[in-house]
Amino acid sequence: DTGVSQNPRHKITKRGQNVTFRCDPISEHNRLYWYRQTLGQGPEFLTYFQNEAQLEKSRLLSDRFSAERPKGSFSTLEIQRTEQGDSAMYLCASSPRLETQYFGPGTRLLVL
Amino acid sequence: DAKTTQPNSMESNEEEPVHLPCNHSTISGTDYIHWYRQLPSQGPEYVIHGLTSNVNNRMASLAIAEDRKSSTLILHRATLRDAAVYYCILRVANDYKLSFGAGTTVTVRA
Repeated sequence: DTGVSQNPRHKITKRGQNVTFRCDPISEHNRLYWYRQTLGQGPEFLTYFQNEAQLEKSRLLSDRFSAERPKGSFSTLEIQRTEQGDSAMYLCASSPRLETQYFGPGTRLLVL
Repeated sequence: DAKTTQPNSMESNEEEPVHLPCNHSTISGTDYIHWYRQLPSQGPEYVIHGLTSNVNNRMASLAIAEDRKSSTLILHRATLRDAAVYYCILRVANDYKLSFGAGTTVTVRA
């Protein structure tokens, strides 16, 4: 399977803990995106990378969130001091061009 | 961001066509119309996109009104695998962000 992969698929953590998610994009896709989706809503844009450069961060991405894409390959999204409001599905997507984004299966986070 | 309006839900019978409407009366001349769908417990999946002309691909057809204020996604023969949430999205030319709304939940009856 050469699609976008995300790990872990599920994460349960206690409030105040730090969590890190990984996204492996489709090989040679230089654009990478993170979205967050809460129950019953469509995904919301969080941040965008072109190669290793983080070009935009949504205001949804508070200072407890940080994303990296070292060497323009895989990406990580870290949430520090998790809160119950952070419970959501975190989706990663990649694309070679602007027209089409290919999404991974997501990481479902539950903060207790 | 330009806004789209879709019905909350639609039902269809298997092997019948499904027409999903989307209103985007504030669309600008450089906005692309994208459709994605999200099957249960999966990430969104690209379906089709267009600018002014109608578009066809192996998954669906996109019919765009002449004034571009509305569009319709057409699934020619619905299968049970087409049960999903369908999102109509306007993407500004040269922008990379997708702004998803709540979408239309499509149910397909066997």
